[in-house]
Order: sequence, then C-alpha cells, then structure tokens
Amino acid sequence: SAVISQKPSRDICQRGTSLTIQCQVDSQVTMMFWYRQQPGQSLTLIATANQGSEATYESGFVIDKFPISRPNLTFSTLTVSNMSPEDSSIYLCSVGTQTGNTEAFFGQGTRLTVV
Amino acid sequence: GESVGLHLPTLSVQEGDNSIINCAYSNSASDYFIWYKQESGKGPQFIIDIRSNMDKRQGQRVTVLLNKTVKHLSLQIAATQPGDSAVYFCAEGFSGGYNKLIFGAGTRLAVHP
Repeated sequence: SAVISQKPSRDICQRGTSLTIQCQVDSQVTMMFWYRQQPGQSLTLIATANQGSEATYESGFVIDKFPISRPNLTFSTLTVSNMSPEDSSIYLCSVGTQTGNTEAFFGQGTRLTVV
Repeated sequence: GESVGLHLPTLSVQEGDNSIINCAYSNSASDYFIWYKQESGKGPQFIIDIRSNMDKRQGQRVTVLLNKTVKHLSLQIAATQPGDSAVYFCAEGFSGGYNKLIFGAGTRLAVHP
C-alpha cells in the first residue's frame, strides 16, 4: 500500500489567483495522477504526472490552467491557475504502485473554494 | 461545505439488510473494474476489484458481479451497517493504463438504524 499526504487539505482563494497543491507519497511509485471532483459529482481525471517529463493531460484540461510538476518518484504538485468560482472542487492525488496491481491509492483530497 | 454525493442518487437501506449498488459502464475494452467507497472529507478507499474475464468475485461482506453483455457492474453488501454509509463509485481500468481510472457517476448509500 501507499500513504499519500496532500497539502493543503482545504483553502479558500480569491478569483484570479493561483493555488499549488502538493502530493507526497511515503514510497516510490510508478504512476501519479490528479483528479478533480466537482461538488456532488464523481471523479474526473485531469492528468497523469510523469516523472522527468511533461504531464499527460486528458481532454478538456490544459497545461496553462493546470500545470503539474513531478520532480521525483514520491512527489508531485498541481497548480490551479487564474482561478474562478467554477474551479471550486476537491482535487485528489492518486498513485499506482506496480504493473498488474489494480489498486490505485488516493490522498484525502484538497477542498478548494474560489470566491 | 457541500458534502460528497449531495447530488448523487441515494440508496436508503435498513441496518442489517443487504444493499445492491449498480453501475453501468461504457467501454467494452476495460480490463478491470474497481469499487471505491468515499466518506465525507476523505479520498476514495478501495473495496474490491474484478478482472474483465470474471463474472463474480467475493470479499468480506461484499460481492461484485460483472455482466459484460450489458456492461453492468454491481456491488452487493451483506448485512449493511451504519459504517457502510458513504458514496460508492465504480471505476474502469485498463491494463497498461497503470492504475489510471475512469469513474462512474456514484451512488450515495444511507443506512438507517
């Protein structure tokens, strides 16, 4: 298993500003992902955080809005840029530990409110 | 703040009853499926998974059924307890996708004493 810590756990931000969310894992992991969970809804994959290269974004998400870093195998950041109230969501970090293991582990999430 | 699952369909059951949560998926190329439980203020927690070459898998108090013909997945919880109250999501995964998941809509389970 993997223990995932996200910071901050919650924040209230002014529109037009940016927030960087950190994801720290207690062991080296192959894959790291970022998801968004809008209020009362399911999880949507934003991107795969690739170590040493640019993140791979899903349809509807772009690097300028959600820049991602992954400097090593245990850490990643997601920035929500130029925020608007529509960005109010829970942002979740997820990790996969090895090929053939289906279980993906999740952090507790960052609850973002944009005012 | 708004809780997880506020706008999701709700299944209400009495404590001790069996619960059945359903999920429809769209991608026939999915290699495995996972059920997650999400409590308010927490991230999703793995419950059970099933490979696409299976049609049933049992865990402790839970059973997952997979019907690939109609692209339907269900989670059965036996003797439902108040601690089972949460939002439940099904998710599809793909071999080679390295734990990248596509989540279904979710169902809120409310267990009443």
